[in-house]
Amino acid sequence: QSALTQPASVSGSPGQSITISCTGTSSDVGSYNLVSWYQQHLGKAPKLMIYEGSKRPSGVSNRFSGSKSGNTASLTISGLQAEDEGEYYCCSYAGRSTLVFGGGTKVTVL
Amino acid sequence: EVQLVQSGAEVKKPGESLKISCKGSGYTFTSYWIAWVRQMPGKGLEWMGIIYPGDSDTRYSPSFQGQVTISADKSISTAYLQWRSLKASDTAMYYCARPYSSGRTLYYLDYWGQGTLVTVSS
Repeated sequence: QSALTQPASVSGSPGQSITISCTGTSSDVGSYNLVSWYQQHLGKAPKLMIYEGSKRPSGVSNRFSGSKSGNTASLTISGLQAEDEGEYYCCSYAGRSTLVFGGGTKVTVL
Repeated sequence: EVQLVQSGAEVKKPGESLKISCKGSGYTFTSYWIAWVRQMPGKGLEWMGIIYPGDSDTRYSPSFQGQVTISADKSISTAYLQWRSLKASDTAMYYCARPYSSGRTLYYLDYWGQGTLVTVSS
């Protein structure tokens, strides 16, 4: 059960859009439409931002959107804001009641 | 309101044992899995394992199998993460989280505890 692959860092200017990729395998991302994304600010617990690939929990800005193609899922943040800075993790169901996380992506607003 | 409240920070010596807890409230504890997630200093989230308090069905990530024990006491709505002999490399923040699930299929982690910082140092 290997970690999903994410870029270490992504940056953008305020107002721009950025996309974070999350690459897994046919045993996790590719097999299930059960990718979720979490935002973590320094010293805080992770917060659910996207679930089931593209759904947003109540209270999460519609600037956050998710998609999936094959073994790769993506998180797009549009209209980038300073408050979006932090670490972002993807996560996928991997069968047999297990989950697997990505390595995390640091988002910097320039 | 769903809440997961974890036990406080711990400072231990190598070789000592430890059991940290995660108390659930605001929902039927026996009807939802509880997961444990490790975050080493400056590093990412790692899936450790999961327990279904209703029947104590427990699954471990291969990386953590044999290294920790996950258990639950449904009478007090509390899940536990336990070490028999701590190592310096166990120093980390440990989170419990509640997955939304359908049967044994896990969808996402919608509620998280505040984290328990475990420091292992001689």
